[in-house]
Amino acid sequence: GNSVTQMEGPVTLSEEAFLTINCTYTATGYPSLFWYVQYPGEGLQLLLKATKADDKGSNKGFEATYRKETTSFHLEKGSVQVSDSAVYFCALSKNSGYSTLTFGKGTMLLVSP
Amino acid sequence: DVKVTQSSRYLVKRTGEKVFLECVQDMDHENMFWYRQDPGLGLRLIYFSYDVKMKEKGDIPEGYSVSREKKERFSLILESASTNQTSMYLCASSFGDRAFFGQGTRLTVV
Repeated sequence: GNSVTQMEGPVTLSEEAFLTINCTYTATGYPSLFWYVQYPGEGLQLLLKATKADDKGSNKGFEATYRKETTSFHLEKGSVQVSDSAVYFCALSKNSGYSTLTFGKGTMLLVSP
Repeated sequence: DVKVTQSSRYLVKRTGEKVFLECVQDMDHENMFWYRQDPGLGLRLIYFSYDVKMKEKGDIPEGYSVSREKKERFSLILESASTNQTSMYLCASSFGDRAFFGQGTRLTVV
C-alpha cells in the first residue's frame, strides 16, 4: 500500500539556519506529493505541492522537488525564522478520484532566536 | 477563502457516551474527510465522503460511523466512546487534489 516516511523530530535550529526535512514515499502509480504545515493550535495548511516527477513546489521560501528515482520529496528552506516553528507533514494523494491523503508522522521544527 | 468549521475545539465525554463531532464547509466541495491525529502516528483517515449520503471507510473506521445528509455537513459519530478514542480529530474538505482543514476538535474520553 501507499506510505510516507519522514524524519523524526524535533528538529531544533537557530534563526537563519538551513532546513532540510527528509520525506520518502512508497506508492503505486504516480501520486501527487504535498507538504502541509500545522502551526500551534491550528489545523493543517497546504504549504506546497508537486504533481509529477521533477516538479518543484515552492511557497514562503520553502521548496521541495519530486524525485521519482529516489521516491523522495525533501523540504528545504535556506534561512528559517522563529515564525516557521510548527509541525510539518509530508503527504501523498492516492489519485483515486477522491483525493484521500496518506500522511507521514509529522516533524516538529523549533526555531530559536 | 475556504472555511472548514468544526463545532467544538475541546470536548470531554464519558466512556460509553454517544459522541457527535460536526464539520461544516462553505465552498460546495464534493469530498469531505475525517482524520484523527495522534503523537507519533501522524494523521490517519477514519472515513470520507464523496457525495451526499455516500461514505467510504478509511484506514481506521472501527468504532466510528459518519453521516452526510447535506453537502456542506459531515458528522463523525462515536457510537460508544472509549478512552482509546481520546485524540485530536480533524475534518477536511477538498477540491481537486487540494484539501482544506478545520482547526480540529480535541476529544478527551474519561
